[in-house]
Amino acid sequence: KQEVTQIPAALSVPEGENLVLNCSFTDSAIYNLQWFRQDPGKGLTSLLLIQSSQREQTSGRLNASLDKSSGRSTLYIAASQPGDSATYLCAVGWGFSGGSNYKLTFGKGTLLTVNP
Amino acid sequence: DTEVTQTPKHLVMGMTNKKSLKCEQHMGHRAMYWYKQKAKKPPELMFVYSYEKLSINESVPSRFSPECPNSSLLNLHLHALQPEDSALYLCASSHIGQGQKNIQYFGAGTRLSVL
Repeated sequence: KQEVTQIPAALSVPEGENLVLNCSFTDSAIYNLQWFRQDPGKGLTSLLLIQSSQREQTSGRLNASLDKSSGRSTLYIAASQPGDSATYLCAVGWGFSGGSNYKLTFGKGTLLTVNP
Repeated sequence: DTEVTQTPKHLVMGMTNKKSLKCEQHMGHRAMYWYKQKAKKPPELMFVYSYEKLSINESVPSRFSPECPNSSLLNLHLHALQPEDSALYLCASSHIGQGQKNIQYFGAGTRLSVL
């Protein structure tokens, strides 16, 4: 059974700081890994998707890395802003070749607060 | 348009009621998902539809009945729910295939309270 762990559970930083969120998973036979953002009481917004054959993916101030063999991923946020405050969820995608059995298993998330 | 629309936004129902949740997308996605999320917990997968056919049922109680009438619409029919079923119900959709096609787009959810 795939288990996904995120550390830390909560993080509070001053505005402008660079930060790293961590995600680990128990079964390295993954298809891909996705990072999502969730604002309180809202749905999820996809931030980045890294395929199992990739090492990293970048979008703006966000950079996600994947080390499939060690079962780890990190999300790096540069120059954090108060608007980045949210819960960040890591989700491992697995199943058969990304087809009809493809599904996500989520970690519990990291609650990020960026203080002005 | 990357929008997944869920209705209603909020729903309060008694344990003997029958209600339905609706999800709609117009992105041409052929995979649609229902998740349940309790407070301060991650989303948990309930059902997956691929090409309008149920492909995954994560051992969900029969009081939850999914339906996919066409490629744009996904329903979740609710009957005889329990108070512990109160949660945020999220719908998502994605393409079926490889690479970035697996990105799932989520709706804002339906906040369900069972009295």
